[in-house]
Amino acid sequence: KAGVTQTPRYLIKTRGQQVTLSCSPISGHRSVSWYQQTPGQGLQFLFEYFSETQRNKGNFPGRFSGRQFSNSRSEMNVSTLELGDSALYLCASSLADASYEQYFGPGTRLTVT
Amino acid sequence: AQKVTQAQTEISVVEKEDVTLDCVYETRDTTYYLFWYKQPPSGELVFLIRRNSFDEQNEISGRYSWNFQKSTSSFNFTITASQVVDSAVYFCALSGRLLDAGNNRKLIWGLGTSLAVNP
Repeated sequence: KAGVTQTPRYLIKTRGQQVTLSCSPISGHRSVSWYQQTPGQGLQFLFEYFSETQRNKGNFPGRFSGRQFSNSRSEMNVSTLELGDSALYLCASSLADASYEQYFGPGTRLTVT
Repeated sequence: AQKVTQAQTEISVVEKEDVTLDCVYETRDTTYYLFWYKQPPSGELVFLIRRNSFDEQNEISGRYSWNFQKSTSSFNFTITASQVVDSAVYFCALSGRLLDAGNNRKLIWGLGTSLAVNP
């Protein structure tokens, strides 16, 4: 069974630009969650999608948005990038909800200059 | 409130030593789930174990063992005879219901413990 894939793996953008990250979950998994990870900050929850609906949301500004498609693939978008958005963005999929283990992709390393 | 505390920020041991990573949680939920994940230097988080609140049996998987104690709200992780490949950041997480958020379950993460196993 293929694991969670994320594209691109590395990205360099400049302040003010926008970026779209993609995540393909494990086949059969309907829940996709996104996290931001920065040194010393642990895993910061962005949002979770289930059956194309946002089910949970973290405390991030509206510049961070996401969506999920009917095939469970998900994208997250960050508009008007700031230097502080430089981070590792991780996508995780699970069968149904947070009572199930999550399987993570390799992440997208975003650098904002 | 729901919270996960991993008090040990960094631990350094010498190969073959045993090491225990602490995890203390807070929740008002009666049915909850606890997890441990490993994040090696490569960056990809790896699921290690899932335990529900009704199963307090300790679990052993090779050199790894987990001690779940509801009385002290702890879910500690022990690595026996540590190896250099065990060097990673280890995260403990709690899944509980958020009563103010439509009763949805949400995963609450600890800040992680960075384990360095030196040869």
